[in-house]
Amino acid sequence: DARVTQTPRHKVTEMGQEVTMRCQPILGHNTVFWYRQTMMQGLELLAYFRNRAPLDDSGMPKDRFSAEMPDATLATLKIQPSEPRDSAVYFCASGTEYEQYFGPGTRLTVT
Amino acid sequence: GQSLEQPSEVTAVEGAIVQINCTYQTSGFYGLSWYQQHDGGAPTFLSYNALDGLEETGRFSSFLSRSDSYGYLLLQELQMKDSASYFCAVTGSSYKLIFGSGTRLLVRP
Repeated sequence: DARVTQTPRHKVTEMGQEVTMRCQPILGHNTVFWYRQTMMQGLELLAYFRNRAPLDDSGMPKDRFSAEMPDATLATLKIQPSEPRDSAVYFCASGTEYEQYFGPGTRLTVT
Repeated sequence: GQSLEQPSEVTAVEGAIVQINCTYQTSGFYGLSWYQQHDGGAPTFLSYNALDGLEETGRFSSFLSRSDSYGYLLLQELQMKDSASYFCAVTGSSYKLIFGSGTRLLVRP
């Protein structure tokens, strides 16, 4: 059955290291979203793409975060360098502006 | 700016009915969505209202009043598995989905 997949599911890294998270959206979905979830801030939209083009990345710290869609089956979110405050669950979703299907998330811990 | 308000916690008894309210302020409005998230899981889509009125999907219903900037999610015949967090989310003029802070529902036996 169609679902969004994300890798890795868990990542523990030291501050200063580069982190890359990957997402495979549901086949046929042309809009892909990256979210971050923390207890304090809740679910925040970081960036989203339509037809592989970035439409909005205003929620993303530009100096250290970058998001790309090298092709229609792969979206990446990169943090370089990582900081302890980046510790969160990062979700990828695909769908529409109101009905989105979320991946299982990447739980990132930066020590 | 955009903001959404929903209660932080609701407790109800198995078999009962519970209503989770959501009020919003947004520049431009296209619709109100509801998502469910179990602890440790991902948000899952429940419903979407673009027009005023009630939408029913099985035991869950969602209501929207655009003039009051208000909506609610109604859960009937509560089951233990309904214990989860429920998020309302608005699609505004920016076409982005903005989530509320979530309502944690605890269903007691």
